Amino acid sequence: DTAVSQTPKYLVTQMGNDKSIKCEQNLGHDTMYWYKQDSKKFLKIMFSYNNKELIINETVPNRFSPKSPDKAHLNLHINSLELGDSAVYFCASSPADRGLRGYTFGSGTRLTVV
Amino acid sequence: SQQGEEDPQALSIQEGENATMNCSYKTSINNLQWYRQNSGRGLVHLILIRSNEREKHSGRLRVTLDTSKKSSSLLITASRAADTASYFCATVFSGNTPLVFGKGTRLSVIA
Repeated sequence: DTAVSQTPKYLVTQMGNDKSIKCEQNLGHDTMYWYKQDSKKFLKIMFSYNNKELIINETVPNRFSPKSPDKAHLNLHINSLELGDSAVYFCASSPADRGLRGYTFGSGTRLTVV
Repeated sequence: SQQGEEDPQALSIQEGENATMNCSYKTSINNLQWYRQNSGRGLVHLILIRSNEREKHSGRLRVTLDTSKKSSSLLITASRAADTASYFCATVFSGNTPLVFGKGTRLSVIA
Protein backbone atom coordinates (compact mmCIF):
# COMPACT_ATOMS: atom_id res chain seq x y z
CA ASP A 1 0.00 0.00 0.00
CA THR A 2 1.31 3.43 -0.92
CA ALA A 3 1.74 5.54 2.20
CA VAL A 4 1.91 8.97 0.55
CA SER A 5 0.63 9.18 -3.00
CA GLN A 6 0.75 12.13 -5.36
CA THR A 7 -0.98 12.66 -8.66
CA PRO A 8 -0.10 13.30 -11.35
CA LYS A 9 3.47 12.04 -11.56
CA TYR A 10 4.19 14.27 -14.54
CA LEU A 11 2.52 17.53 -15.50
CA VAL A 12 3.33 19.60 -18.58
CA THR A 13 1.41 22.82 -18.98
CA GLN A 14 1.61 26.23 -20.56
CA MET A 15 2.46 29.48 -18.87
CA GLY A 16 -0.51 31.23 -17.37
CA ASN A 17 -2.50 28.09 -16.71
CA ASP A 18 -3.85 27.05 -13.31
CA LYS A 19 -3.09 23.52 -12.11
CA SER A 20 -3.49 21.34 -9.04
CA ILE A 21 -1.42 18.52 -7.62
CA LYS A 22 -3.12 16.07 -5.29
CA CYS A 23 -1.63 14.34 -2.27
CA GLU A 24 -3.09 11.69 -0.01
CA GLN A 25 -1.59 9.83 2.95
CA ASN A 26 -2.96 6.69 4.60
CA LEU A 27 -0.65 6.74 7.61
CA GLY A 28 -2.96 8.60 9.95
CA HIS A 29 -0.38 11.38 10.25
CA ASP A 30 -1.47 14.76 11.53
CA THR A 31 0.85 17.00 9.55
CA MET A 32 1.44 17.27 5.81
CA TYR A 33 3.93 19.28 3.80
CA TRP A 34 4.78 20.46 0.35
CA TYR A 35 8.41 20.74 -0.72
CA LYS A 36 9.82 22.05 -3.99
CA GLN A 37 12.98 20.50 -5.44
CA ASP A 38 14.71 22.63 -8.04
CA SER A 39 16.99 21.58 -10.88
CA LYS A 40 19.97 21.58 -8.51
CA LYS A 41 18.18 19.12 -6.21
CA PHE A 42 17.72 21.70 -3.47
CA LEU A 43 14.61 20.97 -1.38
CA LYS A 44 12.71 23.92 -0.02
CA ILE A 45 9.74 23.82 2.34
CA MET A 46 6.67 25.52 0.93
CA PHE A 47 3.93 24.73 3.43
CA SER A 48 3.29 22.69 6.50
CA TYR A 49 -0.27 22.04 7.57
CA ASN A 50 -2.19 20.23 10.25
CA ASN A 51 -5.74 20.49 11.49
CA LYS A 52 -4.93 23.53 13.49
CA GLU A 53 -2.32 25.47 11.68
CA LEU A 54 -1.07 26.39 8.24
CA ILE A 55 2.49 27.59 8.11
CA ILE A 56 3.50 29.25 4.91
CA ASN A 57 7.07 29.87 3.89
CA GLU A 58 7.07 33.60 3.33
CA THR A 59 9.12 33.25 0.16
CA VAL A 60 6.41 31.25 -1.59
CA PRO A 61 4.41 33.38 -4.07
CA ASN A 62 0.74 33.71 -3.24
CA ARG A 63 -0.02 32.03 -6.56
CA PHE A 64 0.57 28.83 -4.61
CA SER A 65 -2.13 27.75 -2.21
CA PRO A 66 -2.58 24.53 -0.23
CA LYS A 67 -6.04 23.10 0.12
CA SER A 68 -6.89 20.41 2.65
CA PRO A 69 -10.35 18.86 2.43
CA ASP A 70 -9.51 16.54 5.32
CA LYS A 71 -6.62 15.31 7.43
CA ALA A 72 -5.50 12.75 4.85
CA HIS A 73 -5.30 15.12 1.90
CA LEU A 74 -3.26 18.21 1.09
CA ASN A 75 -3.55 19.46 -2.45
CA LEU A 76 -1.42 22.15 -4.03
CA HIS A 77 -3.07 24.65 -6.32
CA ILE A 78 -0.98 26.91 -8.51
CA ASN A 79 -2.40 29.91 -10.35
CA SER A 80 -0.90 31.67 -13.37
CA LEU A 81 1.97 29.25 -13.81
CA GLU A 82 5.37 30.69 -14.69
CA LEU A 83 8.44 29.12 -16.27
CA GLY A 84 10.26 29.32 -12.93
CA ASP A 85 7.67 27.07 -11.34
CA SER A 86 9.12 24.12 -13.23
CA ALA A 87 10.43 21.74 -10.58
CA VAL A 88 9.63 18.53 -8.78
CA TYR A 89 7.07 18.96 -6.01
CA PHE A 90 7.04 16.53 -3.11
CA CYS A 91 4.31 15.94 -0.61
CA ALA A 92 5.26 14.51 2.78
CA SER A 93 3.62 13.67 6.08
CA SER A 94 4.67 13.18 9.68
CA PRO A 95 3.08 12.34 13.03
CA ALA A 96 1.73 15.08 15.27
CA ASP A 97 5.10 15.90 16.74
CA ARG A 98 6.30 17.09 13.33
CA GLY A 99 10.05 17.09 13.06
CA LEU A 100 10.64 14.84 16.04
CA ARG A 101 10.30 11.80 13.80
CA GLY A 102 11.06 11.04 10.19
CA TYR A 103 8.88 12.19 7.34
CA THR A 104 7.29 9.95 4.72
CA PHE A 105 7.54 11.37 1.22
CA GLY A 106 5.53 10.83 -1.91
CA SER A 107 7.27 9.98 -5.15
CA GLY A 108 6.99 13.52 -6.50
CA THR A 109 5.28 15.41 -9.30
CA ARG A 110 7.51 16.73 -12.05
CA LEU A 111 5.99 19.98 -13.26
CA THR A 112 7.18 21.44 -16.53
CA VAL A 113 5.90 24.85 -17.59
CA VAL A 114 6.39 25.66 -21.26
CA SER B 1 16.89 30.17 5.75
CA GLN B 2 18.85 27.74 7.91
CA GLN B 3 20.08 24.65 6.11
CA GLY B 4 22.65 21.94 6.26
CA GLU B 5 25.54 21.84 3.88
CA GLU B 6 26.70 18.44 2.72
CA ASP B 7 30.24 17.65 1.80
CA PRO B 8 31.31 16.39 -0.67
CA GLN B 9 28.77 17.33 -3.33
CA ALA B 10 29.61 14.14 -5.23
CA LEU B 11 31.40 10.94 -4.26
CA SER B 12 32.35 7.97 -6.41
CA ILE B 13 33.62 4.74 -4.85
CA GLN B 14 34.06 1.07 -5.66
CA GLU B 15 31.64 -1.51 -4.38
CA GLY B 16 32.73 -2.81 -1.00
CA GLU B 17 34.37 0.45 0.05
CA ASN B 18 33.03 2.70 2.78
CA ALA B 19 31.37 6.01 1.95
CA THR B 20 31.45 8.98 4.30
CA MET B 21 29.32 12.07 3.85
CA ASN B 22 29.40 15.13 6.07
CA CYS B 23 26.82 17.72 6.97
CA SER B 24 27.23 21.06 8.69
CA TYR B 25 24.48 23.30 9.99
CA LYS B 26 24.19 26.76 11.43
CA THR B 27 22.13 26.89 14.61
CA SER B 28 21.12 24.68 17.52
CA ILE B 29 18.95 21.75 16.57
CA ASN B 30 16.49 19.34 18.12
CA ASN B 31 17.53 16.51 15.82
CA LEU B 32 19.23 15.77 12.52
CA GLN B 33 17.97 13.28 9.96
CA TRP B 34 19.44 11.62 6.89
CA TYR B 35 17.44 10.75 3.79
CA ARG B 36 18.19 8.89 0.59
CA GLN B 37 16.80 9.80 -2.81
CA ASN B 38 17.15 7.43 -5.72
CA SER B 39 17.03 9.00 -9.17
CA GLY B 40 13.51 10.08 -10.07
CA ARG B 41 12.07 8.95 -6.74
CA GLY B 42 10.96 10.42 -3.45
CA LEU B 43 13.05 10.69 -0.31
CA VAL B 44 13.36 7.81 2.10
CA HIS B 45 14.07 8.38 5.78
CA LEU B 46 17.23 6.56 6.87
CA ILE B 47 18.04 7.58 10.41
CA LEU B 48 17.37 10.26 13.02
CA ILE B 49 19.84 11.37 15.66
CA ARG B 50 18.78 13.61 18.53
CA SER B 51 20.82 16.50 19.80
CA ASN B 52 21.73 14.64 23.00
CA GLU B 53 23.03 11.62 21.07
CA ARG B 54 26.51 11.29 19.64
CA GLU B 55 26.32 8.16 17.52
CA LYS B 56 23.67 5.93 16.08
CA HIS B 57 23.71 2.75 13.98
CA SER B 58 21.22 1.18 11.64
CA GLY B 59 22.42 -1.83 9.65
CA ARG B 60 25.34 -0.64 7.48
CA LEU B 61 24.70 2.99 8.43
CA ARG B 62 26.52 4.86 11.15
CA VAL B 63 25.67 8.45 11.98
CA THR B 64 27.61 10.72 14.28
CA LEU B 65 26.65 14.12 15.61
CA ASP B 66 28.96 16.75 17.05
CA THR B 67 26.82 19.61 18.33
CA SER B 68 29.86 21.64 19.37
CA LYS B 69 31.00 21.71 15.75
CA LYS B 70 27.46 21.72 14.37
CA SER B 71 28.25 18.80 12.13
CA SER B 72 27.17 15.25 11.39
CA SER B 73 28.54 12.44 9.31
CA LEU B 74 26.91 9.48 7.62
CA LEU B 75 29.03 6.40 7.05
CA ILE B 76 27.84 3.62 4.77
CA THR B 77 29.98 0.53 5.21
CA ALA B 78 30.61 -2.15 2.59
CA SER B 79 28.81 -0.13 -0.07
CA ARG B 80 26.76 -1.77 -2.80
CA ALA B 81 25.75 -0.60 -6.26
CA ALA B 82 22.21 -0.25 -4.90
CA ASP B 83 23.47 2.46 -2.51
CA THR B 84 23.90 4.75 -5.51
CA ALA B 85 21.65 7.73 -4.73
CA SER B 86 21.65 11.27 -3.38
CA TYR B 87 21.89 11.60 0.38
CA PHE B 88 20.49 14.58 2.24
CA CYS B 89 20.82 15.71 5.78
CA ALA B 90 17.92 17.62 7.27
CA THR B 91 17.68 19.49 10.52
CA VAL B 92 14.86 20.25 12.91
CA PHE B 93 15.35 23.35 15.03
CA SER B 94 12.40 22.82 17.34
CA GLY B 95 9.45 20.47 17.65
CA ASN B 96 7.21 22.72 15.58
CA THR B 97 9.48 23.55 12.69
CA PRO B 98 9.57 21.55 9.47
CA LEU B 99 12.65 19.78 8.18
CA VAL B 100 15.22 22.00 6.51
CA PHE B 101 17.32 20.14 3.97
CA GLY B 102 20.89 20.53 2.83
CA LYS B 103 21.94 20.36 -0.80
CA GLY B 104 22.80 16.68 -0.79
CA THR B 105 25.70 14.41 -1.68
CA ARG B 106 25.47 12.39 -4.86
CA LEU B 107 26.97 8.95 -4.22
CA SER B 108 27.94 6.63 -7.05
CA VAL B 109 28.95 3.08 -6.18
CA ILE B 110 30.68 1.35 -9.04
CA ALA B 111 30.34 -2.42 -9.31
